[in-house]
Amino acid sequence: DQQVKQNSPSLSVQEGRISILNCDYTNSMFDYFLWYKKYPAEGPTFLISISSIKDKNEDGRFTVFLNKSAKHLSLHIVPSQPGDSAVYFCAASRYQGGSEKLVFGKGTKLTVNP
Amino acid sequence: DAGVTQSPTHLIKTRGQQVTLRCSPKSGHDTVSWYQQALGQGPQFIFQYYEEEERQRGNFPDRFSGHQFPNYSSELNVNALLLGDSALYLCASNSRGPRGGDKNIQYFGAGTRLSVL
Repeated sequence: DQQVKQNSPSLSVQEGRISILNCDYTNSMFDYFLWYKKYPAEGPTFLISISSIKDKNEDGRFTVFLNKSAKHLSLHIVPSQPGDSAVYFCAASRYQGGSEKLVFGKGTKLTVNP
Repeated sequence: DAGVTQSPTHLIKTRGQQVTLRCSPKSGHDTVSWYQQALGQGPQFIFQYYEEEERQRGNFPDRFSGHQFPNYSSELNVNALLLGDSALYLCASNSRGPRGGDKNIQYFGAGTRLSVL
């Protein structure tokens, strides 16, 4: 049962344009969402997060939008740069008294072309 | 400030053998979680350790066990290896704190690539 879904295995965009990565979830108990970026031969690197009490969080070129009613979140990267080429994972968690596991999607491979 | 470190980076074992993977958390972190990432999949939660006890466990058999030491470092042990255990094993660390705070975020190591032949 895939509780976090990233339905696009890959995405290709031109440098300078916007990259939009999408994520859907099924468990309404999730209350915290994160995006991680992963380069080959490295571990996932935290990018940005959002609490379920918000609908938007921004950090530099990265913005995450959360639509709770649709159980959908998206990551916007503006402008996209070649160094952004990586696999992006969406993850979700729910508060459990401090012991929280992350549930990940399968990832979307982003390629930013110069 | 050293991040999360894992050893070894690569490991080759045969079916039926046992393996131990090691993890040192980021400085200031007291909680360690282990994840398994199969090819083409996202990381899957194995278990989490805090105060030297297993606090939460994912859907993995008892062949997967772990330990946390007083210095917060951790080991993942897998017994009776199966071909399907071939994967990247990721360790993540964080510190108990308010949601969204820097320390509460789980930071990952580069992983140990386990191949079972």
